Amino acid sequence: AQSVTQLGSHVSVSEGALVLLRCNYSSSVPPYLFWYVQYPNQGLQLLLKYTSAATLVKGINGFEAEFKKSETSFHLTKPSAHMSDAAEYFCAVSERGKLIFGQGTELSVKP
Amino acid sequence: DVKVTQSSRYLVKRTGEKVFLECVQDMDHENMFWYRQDPGLGLRLIYFSYDVKMKEKGDIPEGYSVSREKKERFSLILESASTNQTSMYLCASSLQGIGNNEQFFGPGTRLTVL
Repeated sequence: AQSVTQLGSHVSVSEGALVLLRCNYSSSVPPYLFWYVQYPNQGLQLLLKYTSAATLVKGINGFEAEFKKSETSFHLTKPSAHMSDAAEYFCAVSERGKLIFGQGTELSVKP
Repeated sequence: DVKVTQSSRYLVKRTGEKVFLECVQDMDHENMFWYRQDPGLGLRLIYFSYDVKMKEKGDIPEGYSVSREKKERFSLILESASTNQTSMYLCASSLQGIGNNEQFFGPGTRLTVL
C-alpha cells in the first residue's frame, strides 16, 4: 500500500521568508501526487498536482513543488510567505482513484 | 465551478442517536468519498462510491454506513452515534479516471456527540 509522510506537524515562518513543507511518499508505481490547503473552517482546496508531465509543478498562490523520484519526495515551496498563507497543508498520493493523505502540516506566518 | 455541499456545518447529537450526513455535488462526478479529519491523523477514508448504488469500504468503516441512491448525493449514516465519532467529516467528489483527477471537497460538518 502507498503512504505519505509529512515531516513537521507545525511550521512557523516570518512574513516574506521561504516556505518549505516536506512530503515523502512510498509507492511501487509512478505516483500521482497532490498538495491541498485547508483554511480555517473550510474544506480542502487543490494547490497543485503532479501527473508525470513535468517534475516542477506550479500551483496557485505562488506555490510550487518538485517531484524527486530518487528521494521519493514532493516538497512544497513558496519563495515569500504571506500572512494569508497561514493554513493547514496536506500532501496526498493517489491509489486506484482514492487519495492517501499525510498527517498535515500547520503553517503559521509571523508578522 | 464544482460545488460540493454538505447539509450542516455544525451538528450536535447524543450518544445512541442515528445521524445522517448529506453530501451533494453538482458536476456529474462518478466518484464520491467520505472522510473524517482528526488532529494529527490527517484525513482518513470512511467509505467511497464509484457509481450509483455502489459502495466500497475505506480504511475506517466501522460504525458507519453509506447510501448512494442518486449520482449527485452520497449520505453517511452513523447507526448509533458514539462519543468517539466526534470529528470533522468531509465529503469529496471526482471524475473517474486513472487516479490523476483531483477531488473536490465540501466545507465539512463538525459533529459533536455528547
